[in-house]
Amino acid sequence: DSGVTQTPKHLITATGQRVTLRCSPRSGDLSVYWYQQSLDQGLQFLIQYYNGEERAKGNILERFSAQQFPDLHSELNLSSLELGDSALYFCASSSKATITGELFFGEGSRLTVL
Amino acid sequence: GENVEQHPSTLSVQEGDSAVIKCTYSDSASNYFPWYKQELGKRPQLIIDIRSNVGEKKDQRIAVTLNKTAKHFSLHITETQPEDSAVYFCAATTSGTYKYIFGTGTRLKVLA
Repeated sequence: DSGVTQTPKHLITATGQRVTLRCSPRSGDLSVYWYQQSLDQGLQFLIQYYNGEERAKGNILERFSAQQFPDLHSELNLSSLELGDSALYFCASSSKATITGELFFGEGSRLTVL
Repeated sequence: GENVEQHPSTLSVQEGDSAVIKCTYSDSASNYFPWYKQELGKRPQLIIDIRSNVGEKKDQRIAVTLNKTAKHFSLHITETQPEDSAVYFCAATTSGTYKYIFGTGTRLKVLA
């Protein structure tokens, strides 16, 4: 158990819909990262937050948005869903403000868009 | 670094043989190079990492080497076992930026 909690574990929805994925980082970790992993694909970096502030953006679509709340949990919002958005979405946290350290991954939220 | 290339994409070895996975990075300021293992249906987990002031690091059957001049680093697994079968990801990160970029992954199969 990494200490990072993601909900829901599985989610099935239809094209055009909107979903919210939730992540609670390890106790004390201030950094949260979001990654998308499509079937048999790598880990695509989406966005990173540190203590409530957005620090870096990767290949995140305009239909996607995220935020980190004062209690440090984070949410990833996916809207106008398309079939290609079906993927495993990972949240990871780390204790360091910089990125030279281990990331602790949650179990992921598997999104299926029908 | 912003771009991390990883090779090979798939690798099959006989049990007991060695496996080598290579990564190259583009940002010469990169200073931290972790390796993650992702077993089927599970989350990625760190298995070993190296910082730019070190050329090699070992932990039992796994080792990582770093060549800063050539901007590449490699994962070496010796005496492979079936439980080593997984997808391995490298990453290269740079202090002062906040992007933790992974390579494309290598699917390792250890054949019994």
